[in-house]
Amino acid sequence: GAGVSQSPRYKVAKRGQDVALRCDPISGHVSLFWYQQALGQGPEFLTYFQNEAQLDKSGLPSDRFFAERPEGSVSTLKIQRTQQEDSAVYLCASSFRLTNTGELFFGEGSRLTVL
Amino acid sequence: TQLLEQSPQFLSIQEGENLTVYCNSSSVFSSLQWYRQEPGEGPVLLVTVVTGGEVKKLKRLTFQFGDARKDSSLHITAAQTGDTGLYLCAGENTGNQFYFGTGTSLTVIP
Repeated sequence: GAGVSQSPRYKVAKRGQDVALRCDPISGHVSLFWYQQALGQGPEFLTYFQNEAQLDKSGLPSDRFFAERPEGSVSTLKIQRTQQEDSAVYLCASSFRLTNTGELFFGEGSRLTVL
Repeated sequence: TQLLEQSPQFLSIQEGENLTVYCNSSSVFSSLQWYRQEPGEGPVLLVTVVTGGEVKKLKRLTFQFGDARKDSSLHITAAQTGDTGLYLCAGENTGNQFYFGTGTSLTVIP
Protein backbone atom coordinates (compact mmCIF):
# COMPACT_ATOMS: atom_id res chain seq x y z
CA GLY A 1 0.00 0.00 0.00
CA ALA A 2 0.93 3.64 -0.30
CA GLY A 3 0.72 4.50 3.39
CA VAL A 4 1.92 3.24 6.75
CA SER A 5 0.01 0.12 7.71
CA GLN A 6 -0.48 -1.06 11.28
CA SER A 7 -2.01 -4.28 12.56
CA PRO A 8 -4.05 -5.21 14.38
CA ARG A 9 -6.22 -2.08 14.48
CA TYR A 10 -7.78 -3.27 17.72
CA LYS A 11 -6.46 -5.68 20.30
CA VAL A 12 -8.05 -6.78 23.56
CA ALA A 13 -5.74 -8.63 25.92
CA LYS A 14 -6.15 -10.06 29.36
CA ARG A 15 -3.77 -8.75 31.95
CA GLY A 16 -0.56 -10.76 31.83
CA GLN A 17 -0.79 -11.71 28.15
CA ASP A 18 1.89 -10.85 25.63
CA VAL A 19 0.98 -8.78 22.56
CA ALA A 20 2.75 -7.95 19.30
CA LEU A 21 1.91 -4.91 17.21
CA ARG A 22 3.11 -4.67 13.64
CA CYS A 23 4.06 -1.65 11.56
CA ASP A 24 4.66 -1.75 7.82
CA PRO A 25 6.20 1.61 6.87
CA ILE A 26 6.17 3.32 3.50
CA SER A 27 8.63 1.57 1.20
CA GLY A 28 12.04 3.22 1.24
CA HIS A 29 11.48 5.16 4.44
CA VAL A 30 14.59 5.06 6.53
CA SER A 31 13.32 6.30 9.87
CA LEU A 32 10.62 4.61 11.93
CA PHE A 33 9.09 5.82 15.17
CA TRP A 34 6.75 4.29 17.75
CA TYR A 35 4.53 6.45 19.93
CA GLN A 36 2.00 5.74 22.67
CA GLN A 37 -1.09 7.95 22.76
CA ALA A 38 -3.72 8.26 25.47
CA LEU A 39 -7.17 9.54 24.53
CA GLY A 40 -7.11 13.28 23.76
CA GLN A 41 -3.41 13.58 24.53
CA GLY A 42 -0.35 14.05 22.39
CA PRO A 43 1.66 11.00 21.33
CA GLU A 44 4.50 10.08 23.69
CA PHE A 45 7.77 8.96 22.13
CA LEU A 46 8.70 5.33 22.68
CA THR A 47 11.52 4.42 20.32
CA TYR A 48 13.21 5.29 17.02
CA PHE A 49 14.94 3.30 14.29
CA GLN A 50 17.13 4.29 11.40
CA ASN A 51 17.03 1.31 9.07
CA GLU A 52 17.54 -1.69 11.36
CA ALA A 53 19.39 0.21 14.06
CA GLN A 54 17.45 1.19 17.16
CA LEU A 55 19.00 4.57 17.89
CA ASP A 56 16.84 5.59 20.84
CA LYS A 57 14.69 3.49 23.13
CA SER A 58 14.61 5.91 26.02
CA GLY A 59 10.82 6.28 25.86
CA LEU A 60 9.99 2.62 26.43
CA PRO A 61 8.14 2.63 29.79
CA SER A 62 9.61 -0.59 31.15
CA ASP A 63 11.60 -3.66 30.20
CA ARG A 64 8.29 -5.32 29.29
CA PHE A 65 8.36 -3.25 26.09
CA PHE A 66 10.56 -4.34 23.22
CA ALA A 67 10.77 -3.18 19.61
CA GLU A 68 12.64 -4.53 16.62
CA ARG A 69 13.10 -3.82 12.96
CA PRO A 70 15.41 -6.65 11.86
CA GLU A 71 15.56 -5.97 8.11
CA GLY A 72 15.07 -2.22 8.20
CA SER A 73 11.48 -2.30 6.99
CA VAL A 74 8.68 -3.91 9.04
CA SER A 75 8.81 -3.24 12.77
CA THR A 76 7.20 -5.02 15.68
CA LEU A 77 6.45 -3.59 19.10
CA LYS A 78 6.10 -6.32 21.69
CA ILE A 79 4.62 -5.88 25.13
CA GLN A 80 5.11 -8.69 27.59
CA ARG A 81 2.88 -9.40 30.60
CA THR A 82 0.49 -6.58 29.71
CA GLN A 83 -0.87 -4.35 32.46
CA GLN A 84 -3.98 -2.16 32.46
CA GLU A 85 -1.84 0.98 32.24
CA ASP A 86 -0.57 -0.27 28.86
CA SER A 87 -4.02 0.42 27.38
CA ALA A 88 -3.53 3.10 24.72
CA VAL A 89 -3.26 3.67 21.00
CA TYR A 90 0.17 2.75 19.65
CA LEU A 91 1.13 4.83 16.64
CA CYS A 92 3.84 4.05 14.14
CA ALA A 93 5.33 6.71 11.88
CA SER A 94 7.93 6.58 9.14
CA SER A 95 10.01 9.22 7.43
CA PHE A 96 12.08 9.17 4.27
CA ARG A 97 14.70 11.61 5.40
CA LEU A 98 17.60 10.92 7.71
CA THR A 99 18.13 14.53 8.63
CA ASN A 100 15.89 17.15 10.10
CA THR A 101 12.59 18.51 8.84
CA GLY A 102 11.47 15.15 7.53
CA GLU A 103 7.70 14.72 7.51
CA LEU A 104 6.33 11.92 9.67
CA PHE A 105 3.75 9.72 7.98
CA PHE A 106 1.56 7.96 10.51
CA GLY A 107 -0.44 4.78 10.44
CA GLU A 108 -3.94 4.67 11.88
CA GLY A 109 -2.67 3.12 15.08
CA SER A 110 -3.29 -0.04 17.06
CA ARG A 111 -5.71 0.41 19.94
CA LEU A 112 -4.76 -1.89 22.82
CA THR A 113 -7.19 -2.54 25.64
CA VAL A 114 -5.95 -4.57 28.59
CA LEU A 115 -8.68 -6.04 30.80
CA THR B 1 6.89 13.20 30.31
CA GLN B 2 6.35 15.54 27.38
CA LEU B 3 8.76 18.32 26.56
CA LEU B 4 6.22 20.58 24.87
CA GLU B 5 3.22 22.08 26.64
CA GLN B 6 0.28 23.23 24.59
CA SER B 7 -2.42 25.66 25.64
CA PRO B 8 -5.27 25.66 25.80
CA GLN B 9 -5.91 21.94 26.20
CA PHE B 10 -9.52 22.29 25.02
CA LEU B 11 -11.09 24.98 22.87
CA SER B 12 -14.69 25.28 21.75
CA ILE B 13 -15.58 28.21 19.52
CA GLN B 14 -18.27 29.36 17.11
CA GLU B 15 -17.73 29.14 13.39
CA GLY B 16 -16.17 32.36 12.10
CA GLU B 17 -14.21 33.15 15.27
CA ASN B 18 -10.42 33.41 15.45
CA LEU B 19 -8.21 31.38 17.77
CA THR B 20 -4.59 30.88 18.76
CA VAL B 21 -2.94 27.74 20.08
CA TYR B 22 0.39 27.93 21.88
CA CYS B 23 3.22 25.42 22.11
CA ASN B 24 5.93 26.07 24.70
CA SER B 25 9.09 24.33 25.81
CA SER B 26 12.28 25.00 27.72
CA SER B 27 14.17 23.02 25.07
CA VAL B 28 15.55 24.30 21.78
CA PHE B 29 14.46 22.44 18.67
CA SER B 30 16.06 22.25 15.23
CA SER B 31 12.61 22.35 13.67
CA LEU B 32 9.02 22.40 14.79
CA GLN B 33 6.03 20.88 13.10
CA TRP B 34 2.27 21.18 13.53
CA TYR B 35 -0.02 18.23 12.91
CA ARG B 36 -3.79 17.76 12.95
CA GLN B 37 -5.34 14.50 14.04
CA GLU B 38 -8.91 13.30 13.58
CA PRO B 39 -10.50 10.50 15.64
CA GLY B 40 -9.31 7.04 14.66
CA GLU B 41 -6.56 8.36 12.41
CA GLY B 42 -2.91 9.22 12.71
CA PRO B 43 -1.70 12.82 12.80
CA VAL B 44 -1.23 14.58 9.46
CA LEU B 45 1.43 17.23 8.90
CA LEU B 46 0.27 20.83 8.43
CA VAL B 47 3.56 22.72 8.37
CA THR B 48 7.25 22.65 9.29
CA VAL B 49 9.09 25.73 10.57
CA VAL B 50 12.86 25.74 10.82
CA THR B 51 14.18 29.25 11.37
CA GLY B 52 13.72 31.22 14.59
CA GLY B 53 11.14 33.96 14.01
CA GLU B 54 9.80 32.26 10.92
CA VAL B 55 6.16 32.85 9.99
CA LYS B 56 4.29 30.62 7.56
CA LYS B 57 0.78 31.10 6.27
CA LEU B 58 -1.41 28.38 4.81
CA LYS B 59 -4.75 29.90 3.79
CA ARG B 60 -6.46 30.72 7.10
CA LEU B 61 -3.69 29.21 9.26
CA THR B 62 -0.65 31.19 10.42
CA PHE B 63 2.26 29.47 12.12
CA GLN B 64 5.09 31.18 13.97
CA PHE B 65 8.32 29.79 15.37
CA GLY B 66 9.75 31.67 18.33
CA ASP B 67 13.03 33.56 17.95
CA ALA B 68 14.78 31.19 20.36
CA ARG B 69 13.27 28.12 18.66
CA LYS B 70 11.63 27.00 21.92
CA ASP B 71 8.03 27.91 21.24
CA SER B 72 5.48 28.24 18.48
CA SER B 73 1.94 29.39 17.85
CA LEU B 74 -0.85 28.48 15.46
CA HIS B 75 -3.46 31.08 14.62
CA ILE B 76 -6.65 30.21 12.76
CA THR B 77 -8.73 32.97 11.22
CA ALA B 78 -12.47 32.56 10.66
CA ALA B 79 -12.62 28.99 11.95
CA GLN B 80 -14.73 26.47 10.05
CA THR B 81 -16.33 23.23 11.25
CA GLY B 82 -13.79 21.34 9.16
CA ASP B 83 -11.03 22.71 11.41
CA THR B 84 -12.29 20.54 14.27
CA GLY B 85 -9.62 18.12 15.49
CA LEU B 86 -6.66 17.57 17.78
CA TYR B 87 -3.80 19.95 17.02
CA LEU B 88 -0.32 18.79 17.90
CA CYS B 89 3.02 20.51 17.82
CA ALA B 90 6.15 18.40 17.49
CA GLY B 91 9.71 19.47 18.09
CA GLU B 92 12.66 17.79 16.44
CA ASN B 93 15.88 17.55 18.42
CA THR B 94 19.41 17.26 17.10
CA GLY B 95 19.13 13.47 17.26
CA ASN B 96 16.30 13.58 14.69
CA GLN B 97 13.69 12.40 17.19
CA PHE B 98 10.30 14.09 17.25
CA TYR B 99 8.63 14.92 20.56
CA PHE B 100 4.96 15.84 20.54
CA GLY B 101 3.12 18.40 22.59
CA THR B 102 0.27 17.70 24.98
CA GLY B 103 -2.33 18.49 22.31
CA THR B 104 -5.15 21.01 21.84
CA SER B 105 -8.61 19.65 21.11
CA LEU B 106 -10.51 22.15 18.97
CA THR B 107 -14.25 22.01 18.39
CA VAL B 108 -15.81 24.48 15.98
CA ILE B 109 -19.56 24.80 16.46
CA PRO B 110 -21.71 25.68 13.44
